[in-house]
Amino acid sequence: AQSVTQLDSQVPVFEEAPVELRCNYSSSVSVYLFWYVQYPNQGLQLLLKYLSGSTLVKGINGFEAEFNKSQTSFHLRKPSVHISDTAEYFCAVSDRNSGYALNFGKGTSLLVTP
Amino acid sequence: DTAVSQTPKYLVTQMGNDKSIKCEQNLGHDTMYWYKQDSKKFLKIMFSYNNKELIINETVPNRFSPKSPDKAHLNLHINSLELGDSAVYFCASVDRTNNSPLHFGNGTRLTVT
Repeated sequence: AQSVTQLDSQVPVFEEAPVELRCNYSSSVSVYLFWYVQYPNQGLQLLLKYLSGSTLVKGINGFEAEFNKSQTSFHLRKPSVHISDTAEYFCAVSDRNSGYALNFGKGTSLLVTP
Repeated sequence: DTAVSQTPKYLVTQMGNDKSIKCEQNLGHDTMYWYKQDSKKFLKIMFSYNNKELIINETVPNRFSPKSPDKAHLNLHINSLELGDSAVYFCASVDRTNNSPLHFGNGTRLTVT
């Protein structure tokens, strides 16, 4: 069975500072990895995904993530955050054994302050 | 055009009632899902249908019954609503043949009083 662990439930950061949101996964087969963002009272929006190929994945809004198979990690990074990046961020994994359904981590709340 | 649309957006009802949430996708995807997001923001899959066939049925009370009349629609019917059913329910769809990411609806906030 697969699982996803987001190590930080809350990450406070000042505007224009860099940020890293951590995600580790476990799975017995090849996985697909995703980061979604949820703004307050809204649905989920895909930030980026890793299916195969280059381990450094670039997404929307200046975010990127790196797939590290040996460390089973898929950490999300942004070099300089904005107030508007304040949201809930979810890491998710899927594989063929799960019917390609997404299994989500518990989320990390990013709070950007001036 | 909204790709995955859910109705209603908000649903307030009393304990013991029966209610339905509807979901439609116009993306031509072959697989649809229902997820539940609890008060702590945790997202948990409930059901999945592929071409109208149930393929995932997680541990969910049998008061919850999904119905897929065609591959573009997946409705969720809930009988005898309980306080603990209060949550945001998200519909999602995907094309499993091309590894596309899930597309989510905007959610239905269910409040049981």
